Amino acid sequence: AQKITQTQPGMFVQEKEAVTLDCTYDTSDPSYGLFWYKQPSSGEMIFLIYQGSYDQQNATEGRYSLNFQKARKSANLVISASQLGDSAMYFCAMREMMGGGSNYKLTFGKGTLLTVNP
Amino acid sequence: EPEVTQTPSHQVTQMGQEVILRCVPISNHLYFYWYRQILGQKVEFLVSFYNNEISEKSEIFDDQFSVERPDGSNFTLKIRSTKLEDSAMYFCASRAGQLNQPQHFGDGTRLSIL
Repeated sequence: AQKITQTQPGMFVQEKEAVTLDCTYDTSDPSYGLFWYKQPSSGEMIFLIYQGSYDQQNATEGRYSLNFQKARKSANLVISASQLGDSAMYFCAMREMMGGGSNYKLTFGKGTLLTVNP
Repeated sequence: EPEVTQTPSHQVTQMGQEVILRCVPISNHLYFYWYRQILGQKVEFLVSFYNNEISEKSEIFDDQFSVERPDGSNFTLKIRSTKLEDSAMYFCASRAGQLNQPQHFGDGTRLSIL
């Protein structure tokens, strides 16, 4: 079975600084995908960034980037120039294939609560 | 930008009552999902729906749960006889066909069982 581990229950960062949120994973599938989602206090789940196991480069999306280290099985999210609105719960999730086709479900980590201080 | 919409945002129901949670997925998406998140816990997969049928379900998705896509736009989750432990945030998600496409989540329905 696949497993996602987020070891930081909470993180603090000063506004305008960068922060790294850790995610390690375990899978025996050679083809997999990793996603990061943001959940503000209002509760919605917002997709941030995706990294495929065969992607040659680390994913980037605006202020979000993924530090993907395949040998170490880690996919850490880096948020640059933190803003107050970045305060939220952040979930790392892994794609787990289902049914032999192109369908998948997400296995989530426990999340990291990020607080951005002014 | 198209989005997944869920109604209601909050549902309060007496234990033992039936509840229907509604979702309108993004219109050209092919795969539909329900997840739940008990307060303070991980998001858990419940069920996947594709080509008008359930393609996969978790052990949580027992006989009390059912899903429907009655009219090509709505996607519903029904809990037949609610229990206290069904209290959670329920998320609907949908996805386009390609494997590298993310699942897009709705804002969730907070279900409170009294």
